[in-house]
Amino acid sequence: DADVTQTPRNRITKTGKRIMLECSQTKGHDRMYWYRQDPGLGLRLIYYSFDVKDINKGEISDGYSVSRQAQAKFSLSLESAIPNQTALYFCATSDPDGSSYEQYFGPGTRLTVT
Amino acid sequence: LAKTTQPISMDSYEGQEVNITCSHNNIATNDYITWYQQFPSQGPRFIIQGYKTKVTNEVASLFIPADRKSSTLSLPRVSLSDTAVYYCLVGDGGGATNKLIFGTGTLLAVQP
Repeated sequence: DADVTQTPRNRITKTGKRIMLECSQTKGHDRMYWYRQDPGLGLRLIYYSFDVKDINKGEISDGYSVSRQAQAKFSLSLESAIPNQTALYFCATSDPDGSSYEQYFGPGTRLTVT
Repeated sequence: LAKTTQPISMDSYEGQEVNITCSHNNIATNDYITWYQQFPSQGPRFIIQGYKTKVTNEVASLFIPADRKSSTLSLPRVSLSDTAVYYCLVGDGGGATNKLIFGTGTLLAVQP
């Protein structure tokens, strides 16, 4: 079984709808991250969390919110989706005791906003 | 975090050794160099990380000269399955944000 799972894997939604992307991990890591990737570009950090009580904005947090329900779960919400939020979204985890730049990524959620 | 520059794309053939060079002229004393691999529609996967000289694991080698202003990822005897985008990242692993900054990467295309 995958260590980092994301649901749904694909989603098509309409402008203005609220949508939640979920991430679960079995690695026991405290640190979790949400990134988005646009075609032909690298990943950009949306939010990150170092533990259940610690949430931080990344470089592109506007239009997004997150919830860290437990050590293993980190959800990303789009309160009112817009077309330029169409992208591939990745969740990742890392172990604070390990290599700080070794992150483990989920399979991604492909979101399309029409 | 220091900016990195790497070729947009490279071509190779099966069985060849591939070297992808990354420039990071503004690397700081505490920065490490990390490489990731990403297949289409998948999340990036950590390949290797180093600080100086040479690091080798079961997947690749990483060569870092003394001035650390560049690094070279070496993939021995590539196969078709090594076709992917390779990202070079530089940063302070002990930094408060612990975030990765990805550039556009190098698309490696391996042909038969």
